[in-house]
Amino acid sequence: IAGITQAPTSQILAAGRRMTLRCTQDMRHNAMYWYRQDLGLGLRLIHYSNTAGTTGKGEVPDGYSVSRANTDDFPLTLASAVPSQTSVYFCASRSGTGSAGELFFGEGSRLTVL
Amino acid sequence: GENVEQHPSTLSVQEGDSAVIKCTYSDSASNYFPWYKQELGKRPQLIIDIRSNVGEKKDQRIAVTLNKTAKHFSLHITETQPEDSAVYFCAASISTGGFKTIFGAGTRLFVKA
Repeated sequence: IAGITQAPTSQILAAGRRMTLRCTQDMRHNAMYWYRQDLGLGLRLIHYSNTAGTTGKGEVPDGYSVSRANTDDFPLTLASAVPSQTSVYFCASRSGTGSAGELFFGEGSRLTVL
Repeated sequence: GENVEQHPSTLSVQEGDSAVIKCTYSDSASNYFPWYKQELGKRPQLIIDIRSNVGEKKDQRIAVTLNKTAKHFSLHITETQPEDSAVYFCAASISTGGFKTIFGAGTRLFVKA
């Protein structure tokens, strides 16, 4: 089934541990994004990638890193998790060119940092 | 950078009434304005969008208006139904400094039967 897949769907993590959230799409979209969703704060952009080999910082990049080695994969890494990173994380890819086009979201990864 | 403000945070309407959600954006370089609907426990999904060269767009019971001068855009839902109950997000996309989509904080809409 074509779409965007995230893993894991849910994870409990001890503070200080390293964690990588995986995101894979098979729609051959150039642009990919990571958002975090917190109650009352909406969807905040963490990092983005307009095409394979390039990445950029979003609104809340601190404590997170990404890589884009190929078109399909866009992993998000928390080098040393802190409780404030408890959130639901959504990966998305975008159709179209330029700044316009629908975002297709994954099902989300619920991360709890204790 | 771009900042998107969305109001109200919560909206309760009676079935059949209209609902209006308003957003403002800060960066005049933003040129694409999508709206997403997120049902409880699910992922956000696009319901309608508008580009900066268009003032209004309609799709059945939903419509979006854009005032570029004032940097305002709004979502209008007519003849609301219980299945319209969800969280709605406005967003603004900008191409300067990378192609980014910035979201508002969301509006939780309750439609009472």
